[in-house]
Amino acid sequence: DAGVIQSPRHEVTEMGQEVTLRCKPISGHDYLFWYRQTMMRGLELLIYFNNNVPIDDSGMPEDRFSAKMPNASFSTLKIQPSEPRDSAVYFCASSPEQWLNEQFFGPGTRLTVL
Amino acid sequence: QQQVKQSPQSLIVQKGGISIINCAYENTAFDYFPWYQQFPGKGPALLIAIRPDVSEKKEGRFTISFNKSAKQFSLHIMDSQPGDSATYFCAASMAGGGADGLTFGKGTHLIIQP
Repeated sequence: DAGVIQSPRHEVTEMGQEVTLRCKPISGHDYLFWYRQTMMRGLELLIYFNNNVPIDDSGMPEDRFSAKMPNASFSTLKIQPSEPRDSAVYFCASSPEQWLNEQFFGPGTRLTVL
Repeated sequence: QQQVKQSPQSLIVQKGGISIINCAYENTAFDYFPWYQQFPGKGPALLIAIRPDVSEKKEGRFTISFNKSAKQFSLHIMDSQPGDSATYFCAASMAGGGADGLTFGKGTHLIIQP
């Protein structure tokens, strides 16, 4: 299995631009999670999906952030407009139904907003 | 508010020594306590996990000790090796209580000196 796939691996953009991060979970996994990692705040859960349905988005910092999962093999996290404080590493993770609590993380997308 | 407090933030251990990282939690409903290991440029990966019905779990050189009454758990790395140098995160969740994501500690940056 290829594991969780994220793209791009690195993104540099200017303040005010729209940013879209992409994730392909492990096939057969029913749960998908988006996390943000910074030095100050550590790993923060932003949102998670079960069977493509958003379950809890209470971690999404602002309305500028949105996430979708149009099908079982693809999810996006969008930031519009982006701000310098959004600079972080964004991780996607997936988990199979029967092993809910073991999450398999992707390699992350390092976002820099200038 | 669900929190997991982790210490120390950073740790330097000599090769062959014992590395000890501690975590404390507040929510008594937590019943699953994993440790994740993260190497630079990679996503976190599950290292070892424990449920509160046991006080200790050992896998190779890695041991989790769990103290339910004190609401604390710790990771011990015996015979620490330079390849163990990484960031370690403790986490907690409610395994049987629904589909919550993991609540992570802030992480410990471990350096094993040769």
